[in-house]
Amino acid sequence: EDKVVQSPLSLVVHEGDTVTLNCSYEVTNFRSLLWYKQEKKAPTFLFMLTSSGIEKKSGRLSSILDKKELFSILNITATQTGDSAVYLCAVEAQGAQKLVFGQGTRLTINP
Amino acid sequence: DAGVTQSPTHLIKTRGQQVTLRCSPISGHKSVSWYQQVLGQGPQFIFQYYEKEERGRGNFPDRFSARQFPNYSSELNVNALLLGDSALYLCASSRGQKNTGELFFGEGSRLTVL
Repeated sequence: EDKVVQSPLSLVVHEGDTVTLNCSYEVTNFRSLLWYKQEKKAPTFLFMLTSSGIEKKSGRLSSILDKKELFSILNITATQTGDSAVYLCAVEAQGAQKLVFGQGTRLTINP
Repeated sequence: DAGVTQSPTHLIKTRGQQVTLRCSPISGHKSVSWYQQVLGQGPQFIFQYYEKEERGRGNFPDRFSARQFPNYSSELNVNALLLGDSALYLCASSRGQKNTGELFFGEGSRLTVL
């Protein structure tokens, strides 16, 4: 059965710090790995990764995938209070028509 | 353009009752998926519908059913509610059947079962 494990489950840092969130996965016939940010209710899309070793960047956020070791990391530099949210990692298998999500990492940024 | 819209946003039911949740996808999106998110957990896949046909089903009992209408909107029905059905139910839409990675989520319907 496909599985996604995120760590840490919870993280509290000060504004300005840099954080790294981890996601490891087991999936048959991997197609893609995705990161979402969930502040209140609707998860919002951050990145989709399909190729190993290619970093995706959007402002202060970046993510990279290692298909050999079956993990991904999400980095946030110069954190702001608005980065406080639950960050979800999900994987998609070929032809599966569904995402398998991890438990999420609850990130809290204190001023 | 409007995003994915869901209704109702909150509802309270008692055990044994039935509930219907509604979802309107983004204009032009033909695929609708439903996910259940229990407090403190990630979303769990329930169903995917594309062109009015069920294309995928998660590991949920037969008490859960869904359908998609000609205008691509969708309903999720849950019968014989249990306390454990209390969760945030998320609807997501995408253009095609297979580009699941471009899912757009609605705000969800929070169901509380007493």
